[in-house]
Parts: sequence; C-alpha cells; structure tokens
Amino acid sequence: GQNIDQPTEMTATEGAIVQINCTYQTSGFNGLFWYQQHAGEAPTFLSYNVLDGLEEKGRFSSFLSRSKGYSYLLLKELQMKDSASYLCAALDSNYQLIWGAGTKLIIKP
Amino acid sequence: GAVVSQHPSWVICKSGTSVKIECRSLDFQATTMFWYRQFPKQSLMLMATSNEGSKATYEQGVEKDKFLINHASLTLSTLTVTSAHPEDSSFYICSAASGTNSYNEQFFGPGTRLTVL
Repeated sequence: GQNIDQPTEMTATEGAIVQINCTYQTSGFNGLFWYQQHAGEAPTFLSYNVLDGLEEKGRFSSFLSRSKGYSYLLLKELQMKDSASYLCAALDSNYQLIWGAGTKLIIKP
Repeated sequence: GAVVSQHPSWVICKSGTSVKIECRSLDFQATTMFWYRQFPKQSLMLMATSNEGSKATYEQGVEKDKFLINHASLTLSTLTVTSAHPEDSSFYICSAASGTNSYNEQFFGPGTRLTVL
C-alpha cells in the first residue's frame, strides 16, 4: 500500500532551526510536496522536489532522497508565525497526491 | 499567486438538509478541481477530482449520490452535500489546478467548515 509517515508533533524555539522528516512509500513517484497549514485554514504551497538534493527558498529548504524514500523540510530562524501543521504529500505514478497526516509544529518564545 | 475562493466559509445546517459549497478560481482557468475533506487533527482526504465539462471521479468510499460535484466552467466547481448528517460535519477544502492532474501545483481555497446539527 501507499503510505506517508511524518511525526505528529514537534516543538522548537523561536529563532532556532527545525527539521521535519517525511518518509514515503508509493507506487511510482513523481515528486514530493510540502504544504503549510495554519489551524482552520487551507494549506499553502511551500515546495516541490522531484530530483535528489536540497532546494532552498528563503528560510525554508526542502530535501529529497528518492533512493531512500525520504524528504525533509528545514525551517531556519523560526518565527512565531511558523507555528502550523506541515503536510508532506507524494505524487504517485498516476499523478495522484498521497497525503501525510501532517506535523504540528509548536514554536515557543 | 493564483487565488481560489470558497463560499460559504462556514455553514450550520439541520440534519437532512442539503448544502452547496462553491469553489472559484479568481484569476486563472482551472482545468481540474479537487475536493478534500479534513477531520480534526487528520490529513486531507481527497474526495473527488473534477475536470471541466466532465463527470467527477470519486475516490473509493465516497458516495457520488451524496456528494454531488458540478464543474460547469473553468472557474467554478460546486460540491453539494445532500441530506447532510452530523457525521458529514467536517472542513471541506477545494483546490484548483491549471493542468489535468495533481502534477500541477494546486491552489487551495480557504475551506468551508460544515456543522450538521
């Protein structure tokens, strides 16, 4: 079956760095998305990786290893507004998105 | 970026009534629209995928006669929850893409919180 695993909850301190991991098992693979979702709101797009390596976009970076079925989202210089759920989603061979349950990130002052 | 709106933002209805939720792409033509449902502390669950002018494709376990989807134009899709029951209470989110599958970046609407009494 298809599966996405990511931690349920993480806590970090304002100004620090946090890495949110995601492992995936899908039938075929056409890329991996990270979305941010604040409570009660819809998700917003953060990143898309289809090739191995690290892609940096401001304070957020996303990494992909296709051979390991692994990705992470790296958030630097954490701000209180970064408190949200972070959803990992993999695109399978049929171009269907398989969603993880999300990681709730709590930022403390 | 692309903007997707949803209406209403929240709705409370009595059991047995029908509720229609609209999803609009405001500044681009959405070839494909997706409807998701999200229960508290759970991830998004894809309900159906609709392409403009054709019948929606429903995910396994989603009753097509209960959740009616219409995608009549490139900027509007509607989801009607027929004969709603308390177990249908959830956060319904639509997303729109300019391509014909999930490969293209999906732009999400703000969601509609449905509470069925």
